[in-house]
Amino acid sequence: SQQGEEDPQALSIQEGENATMNCSYKTSINNLQWYRQNSGRGLVHLILIRSNEREKHSGRLRVTLDTSKKSSSLLITASRAADTASYFCATDRKETSGSRLTFGEGTQLTVNP
Amino acid sequence: DAGVIQSPRHEVTEMGQEVTLRCKPISGHDYLFWYRQTMMRGLELLIYFNNNVPIDDSGMPEDRFSAKMPNASFSTLKIQPSEPRDSAVYFCASSLWTSGYNEQFFGPGTRLTVL
Repeated sequence: SQQGEEDPQALSIQEGENATMNCSYKTSINNLQWYRQNSGRGLVHLILIRSNEREKHSGRLRVTLDTSKKSSSLLITASRAADTASYFCATDRKETSGSRLTFGEGTQLTVNP
Repeated sequence: DAGVIQSPRHEVTEMGQEVTLRCKPISGHDYLFWYRQTMMRGLELLIYFNNNVPIDDSGMPEDRFSAKMPNASFSTLKIQPSEPRDSAVYFCASSLWTSGYNEQFFGPGTRLTVL
């Protein structure tokens, strides 16, 4: 399986509910990032968490990182229809240099009004 | 800043034709990436540059694909000859590497259809 696997592949919830997406990876990382992609658009960076951090918040987003389990989760609280998008995790692997990231396959989130 | 600029936004061409995709990264960024996205294969890294120098082109699918970065503000991805299986959305992204922070900024993509 590939580095950076999101789970679930698809998630459908009602507006106002929380959405949780998970990401697993295989090798040691410098940081892990989450991106959003609206239909027909490019990816947009949401949040970055370093390998020595365990939790980070940004507005309605909460990201956790467990390096012992090589996993991360993205929580979107009080979801809105506008949150409907694909969400990707991306890892900055220690074995690669510079700015290269390894992207997962994404979770398609649908928030129903 | 205008962000990463890609052109054209849409390209429809016939099999065998040459296709050139263009990208202008964010000013000051030192990394440039070309990705391809399809439903079947997801987001694939094709090639990336650091300070205009190609670092890793192992993702380029075939010799029909080539990429150049003649200066810090311009890059091209060329497919010659194009085939129907090249149909995809091609993204360019740029990044400024600083210790611990390397978020990538994506362009809007070029949707390529090869008939």
